[in-house]
Amino acid sequence: GAVVSQHPSRVICKSGTSVKIECRSLDFQATTMFWYRQFPKQSLMLMATSNEGSKATYEQGVEKDKFLINHASLTLSTLTVTSAHPEDSSFYICSARALTNYGYTFGSGTRLTVV
Amino acid sequence: QQPVQSPQAVILREGEDAVINCSSSKALYSVHWYRQKHGEAPIFLMILLKGGEQKGHDKISASFNEKKQQSSLYLTASQLSYSGTYFCGTVRYSGGGADGLTFGKGTHLIIQP
Repeated sequence: GAVVSQHPSRVICKSGTSVKIECRSLDFQATTMFWYRQFPKQSLMLMATSNEGSKATYEQGVEKDKFLINHASLTLSTLTVTSAHPEDSSFYICSARALTNYGYTFGSGTRLTVV
Repeated sequence: QQPVQSPQAVILREGEDAVINCSSSKALYSVHWYRQKHGEAPIFLMILLKGGEQKGHDKISASFNEKKQQSSLYLTASQLSYSGTYFCGTVRYSGGGADGLTFGKGTHLIIQP
């Protein structure tokens, strides 16, 4: 089955620093990957769509300069949270779809804590 | 636009049945159902497509009423492992291939022995 690997699973960083999160599709190629954010006891909110070889598409209200997305290959997308602040602390999850009309596979998520 | 899920929470005894509903104010092209356990990523259960449905698991099934813009998830003879938060997700475009999911707020399901 389609597997999406996400690293790191947990990260603690100081306020003002940047953190990079990696998302890899292990057994399929993903021209498109998606990044979500989930605050405690809330739903997953789509942040951006990562497109291989082109610029990411950001959802309304998501700062593109703060959440940098790079999709340099068909199996890797990265999300960099720049100049992180405590309010950026959240659960970040990526997903991809192996086949159209099938479900999306999610990575295991990254718990980011900014102190 | 975020789909609306109901109920917000359900508490069942093992072996009982549950129904979770998902509705949208916009036309639905497909509905995706996921279960998430605390601190983990969502797990795909099934997808229902416009003009048909796809069953994902034995005792978990779903329906899709395109006219009413609704979907329901049915859990039969619930097991302890069914506990978690269930989300329905919809896509905005009929193509769907390059569109992320918009999730409902979730339904918390607790199964007691």
